[in-house]
Amino acid sequence: NAGVMQNPRHLVRRRGQEARLRCSPMKGHSHVYWYRQLPEEGLKFMVYLQKENIIDESGMPKERFSAEFPKEGPSILRIQQVVRGDSAAYFCASSPGTSPLRSGANVLTFGAGSRLTVL
Amino acid sequence: AQSVTQLDSQVPVFEEAPVELRCNYSSSVSVYLFWYVQYPNQGLQLLLKYLSGSTLVKGINGFEAEFNKSQTSFHLRKPSVHISDTAEYFCAVSAFTGGFKTIFGAGTRLFVKA
Repeated sequence: NAGVMQNPRHLVRRRGQEARLRCSPMKGHSHVYWYRQLPEEGLKFMVYLQKENIIDESGMPKERFSAEFPKEGPSILRIQQVVRGDSAAYFCASSPGTSPLRSGANVLTFGAGSRLTVL
Repeated sequence: AQSVTQLDSQVPVFEEAPVELRCNYSSSVSVYLFWYVQYPNQGLQLLLKYLSGSTLVKGINGFEAEFNKSQTSFHLRKPSVHISDTAEYFCAVSAFTGGFKTIFGAGTRLFVKA
């Protein structure tokens, strides 16, 4: 039973290019979260998705960033026209669901991260 | 809205000594609390969680934490650390507001010295 799979593990882009980061949640998990970790900083919440639905995107920059979790396939975090400040580790996590009555519904399982370097 | 404050950015400690990593939170609703550990170049792993019930929670690798509602704290402790405990530790809070959103503290780097 594979855990949360993220790819690519490392991505190098030049300023102005697009970056696409993919995340396949753990089997049986229906919710995906994206976090950004800058050097020497903690994890900053970006977005929280369910299949075909964005639940909370309050941490997403208003421009250039978007996320989706289609009915089929992985969740994708897309960064358009990247800038040097986008260089960071991007972590995806998944959870089984959102019912507060379900034990462990909000326990996150993390992927190994995707490290984006913008030249 | 929730927030998490980890009071120490770095904690150096000698091997076999006890350690406490401090965490305070704020929230207007009931919360669930977690500690995660991150080893270099890896994702985060769950150490322990408080969902309900006993306020003293035991986790993996000999760690434990105590939920103190009156002080809004969830400090992590280990009576005797090992070199292998060197890592970044994150306190997190989650609340149900139509869906669960988990917020992390800035992290505490535990450095265990021989």
